[in-house]
Amino acid sequence: AQTVTQSQPEMSVQEAETVTLSCTYDTSESDYYLFWYKQPPSRQMILVIRQEAYKQQNATENRFSVNFQKAAKSFSLKISDSQLGDAAMYFCAYTRAGNQFYFGTGTSLTVIP
Amino acid sequence: DSGVTQTPKHLITATGQRVTLRCSPRSGDLSVYWYQQSLDQGLQFLIQYYNGEERAKGNILERFSAQQFPDLHSELNLSSLELGDSALYFCASSEGDGYNSPLHFGNGTRLTVT
Repeated sequence: AQTVTQSQPEMSVQEAETVTLSCTYDTSESDYYLFWYKQPPSRQMILVIRQEAYKQQNATENRFSVNFQKAAKSFSLKISDSQLGDAAMYFCAYTRAGNQFYFGTGTSLTVIP
Repeated sequence: DSGVTQTPKHLITATGQRVTLRCSPRSGDLSVYWYQQSLDQGLQFLIQYYNGEERAKGNILERFSAQQFPDLHSELNLSSLELGDSALYFCASSEGDGYNSPLHFGNGTRLTVT
């Protein structure tokens, strides 16, 4: 079965600094998708970024970028120029064709002013 | 706004009761997923429907059931409620069957069982 592991339950970062959240996953598939979702205190789930496994180029969305290491089955999220509004729980997720989404247990990010 | 609508936003009920949570997916999305998130917990996958058919089942209790109607809206029925069922229930939709299209989440229904 596919599993997604986020080994950092909590992280903190100074405002304007950069932070990296880790995610590893277990799969025997070669074609799949990976996502990062953000859940702020409002509890709404917001898509941050996605990565197709067949693409070697790392996805980027403004201040958010990923470091996708397929061989290592690693998918980390880098947040640059951290802002107070980035404080949230971040979930990593995996899915493949015809399958459900698997979510990690989340990393709680605190942004220190 | 994700385009996914969940009603009601809040629900307070007593143990042993039955409730129905409703979800309208984004326009054009065929898949609907239900997730449960207890306090300070991750997301527990309950069930997925694709174009009216059950596609995948997760850790859904026998007291819980769901369906997706011809207009693609979905309902999650929770019966014989227990205190431990108190949680935030998310509905999410996607264009396909969950492969190359991300999940778009509703704002959730917060269920409190007293």
